[in-house]
Amino acid sequence: AQKVTQAQTEISVVEKEDVTLDCVYETRDTTYYLFWYKQPPSGELVFLIRRNSFDEQNEISGRYSWNFQKSTSSFNFTITASQVVDSAVYFCALGRNMLTFGGGTRLMVKP
Amino acid sequence: NAGVTQTPKFQVLKTGQSMTLQCAQDMNHEYMSWYRQDPGMGLRLIHYSVGAGITDQGEVPNGYNVSRSTTEDFPLRLLSAAPSQTSVYFCASSYTSARGRVGYEQYFGPGTRLTVT
Repeated sequence: AQKVTQAQTEISVVEKEDVTLDCVYETRDTTYYLFWYKQPPSGELVFLIRRNSFDEQNEISGRYSWNFQKSTSSFNFTITASQVVDSAVYFCALGRNMLTFGGGTRLMVKP
Repeated sequence: NAGVTQTPKFQVLKTGQSMTLQCAQDMNHEYMSWYRQDPGMGLRLIHYSVGAGITDQGEVPNGYNVSRSTTEDFPLRLLSAAPSQTSVYFCASSYTSARGRVGYEQYFGPGTRLTVT
């Protein structure tokens, strides 16, 4: 069975602070994919990133960066210089085509 | 492309009623899935399909039926609604690879908010 744990249920920061959202996963598969999705208050699910299990390079996209560490089964997400528009629920997920999701982390960025 | 569409957006049912949530995609994706989202539990897989005519159960299939007669459509049927089925339902589609690009990420519809009283 696969499992994704997002231990932080809620995080509150002040604008311009950096924030890291943690994701730990369990799987017996040797080939797998990890994902992050954003769910803003409007409710839709927005795809942010896909990472396969063979690629442990960190990725940066603007203010977003992702740290994948296979040795600790973690795929953490950092937002640098957070903005109010980053306020959302963020989900980490694992799988291929059919995904197992973590419980989500609600990020609140205050002005 | 409209992407993944779902109807209705909102629905209120009484216990014991049945209904069908509609889902359609126009991206020719082979995979389609239904998830439900409950507070604090993330999204959980109800049923999925790997192609027309092929469906299988996910993590929480009880009380739901699906069928997939075409690539485009994947309706979810609630047989006899219960208050425990109050949730937000998301339909998603995905592909493995196309034109040399690896897929796997879910393309989600806008969701259906269902309340069972």
